[in-house]
Amino acid sequence: GDSVTQMEGPVTLSEEAFLTINCTYTATGYPSLFWYVQYPGEGLQLLLKATKADDKGSNKGFEATYRKETTSFHLEKGSVQVSDSAVYYCALLSGGSNYKLTFGKGTLLTVNP
Amino acid sequence: DSGVTQTPKHLITATGQRVTLRCSPRSGDLSVYWYQQSLDQGLQFLIQYYNGEERAKGNILERFSAQQFPDLHSELNLSSLELGDSALYFCASSFGQLYNSPLHFGNGTRLTVT
Repeated sequence: GDSVTQMEGPVTLSEEAFLTINCTYTATGYPSLFWYVQYPGEGLQLLLKATKADDKGSNKGFEATYRKETTSFHLEKGSVQVSDSAVYYCALLSGGSNYKLTFGKGTLLTVNP
Repeated sequence: DSGVTQTPKHLITATGQRVTLRCSPRSGDLSVYWYQQSLDQGLQFLIQYYNGEERAKGNILERFSAQQFPDLHSELNLSSLELGDSALYFCASSFGQLYNSPLHFGNGTRLTVT
């Protein structure tokens, strides 16, 4: 079945450091890919998405490019802030599906001042 | 604020008991999804409802059931509770299809079974 693999956390960075969180996937067909973020004590919220190969999703300084050849959707940010501390989830929507979002296990990011 | 409301925030109960978790979706959203988040399993899709009808089932146990009412709020019923059912249960809602309509999550109900 479809699956998402994220790099294990936790990730601890200093403010203004460069962030990469790796995400690879296994899926049949042509999935859509997402990054969700969960701030402490809150539910998940959509950060960015890409619906086809070579698409780049971006939001709040975060970017991720849908790479079909490497089945990857790595999350990057050039300069993290303390307020970016959260859990980040990579997810895929199976091609042709309307409901089944498959999530990775999440990566905890802590940014220190 | 996502607009999705879940009650209660915390629930502590004993093994063998039954509980009901409630969710009010974001205004205008017709689909409701239930997810279970645990440390070992991560975020697992349980079930989806659309406008009162069950649309899809994921890894939902037979001891669990859900429904969506005419006013679109939803309830998740968990019965014969076991220690392993302790988890954070999220409700989410969407307006349209997930490839172009994001999921909006509530803040979750933390269930502790003792």
